[in-house]
Amino acid sequence: EPEVTQTPSHQVTQMGQEVILRCVPISNHLYFYWYRQILGQKVEFLVSFYNNEISEKSEIFDDQFSVERPDGSNFTLKIRSTKLEDSAMYFCASSETGVGANVLTFGAGSRLTVL
Amino acid sequence: DQQVKQNSPSLSVQEGRISILNCDYTNSMFDYFLWYKKYPAEGPTFLISISSIKDKNEDGRFTVFLNKSAKHLSLHIVPSQPGDSAVYFCAARVSFGNEKLTFGTGTRLTIIP
Repeated sequence: EPEVTQTPSHQVTQMGQEVILRCVPISNHLYFYWYRQILGQKVEFLVSFYNNEISEKSEIFDDQFSVERPDGSNFTLKIRSTKLEDSAMYFCASSETGVGANVLTFGAGSRLTVL
Repeated sequence: DQQVKQNSPSLSVQEGRISILNCDYTNSMFDYFLWYKKYPAEGPTFLISISSIKDKNEDGRFTVFLNKSAKHLSLHIVPSQPGDSAVYFCAARVSFGNEKLTFGTGTRLTIIP
């Protein structure tokens, strides 16, 4: 069964450093997403990406964050100047379409720990 | 901002019995609702969805019920199996011009053998 692959599974970084989280979405999917889950809290939407541009973003997704699809397969989330409160599990997801039920397929997540 | 609420953080059910997970929402613009299941160290996995034009959708052991007037939905699992032990998230979206899913906080379901 096709799956969304995320790397790294766990990253530890110092506050103020930049991190890049990588994702390989399902190949025939057109919509890509990043969500995050702070420990003990709900899964929160960060950003959606379609046709090589951001289609929607939440208030969490400020100038500290950026996304990119550098080639035909990877989808990355860059977090500049990390803060302690950025520590969370970051989930990449993809979907075939952005309409209707819009079932998202999620990756296993990248755990980011900021010290 | 708690547009989707799951008021029970945990639920324990005997194997073979029915598990009922509940979800409430406040945004009347939501028109699609989804349930996701999550095991530790894995991402959420889609389970079942329902459109706001329906009040019930069934898929094998899983049935989702939607009560629009009460802004309430529930997931029924029958019979419950040990492999159903996981965290269940309710999610909702507005289908036009809005791609994001809004998740609830999750309910940890434990099936007791």
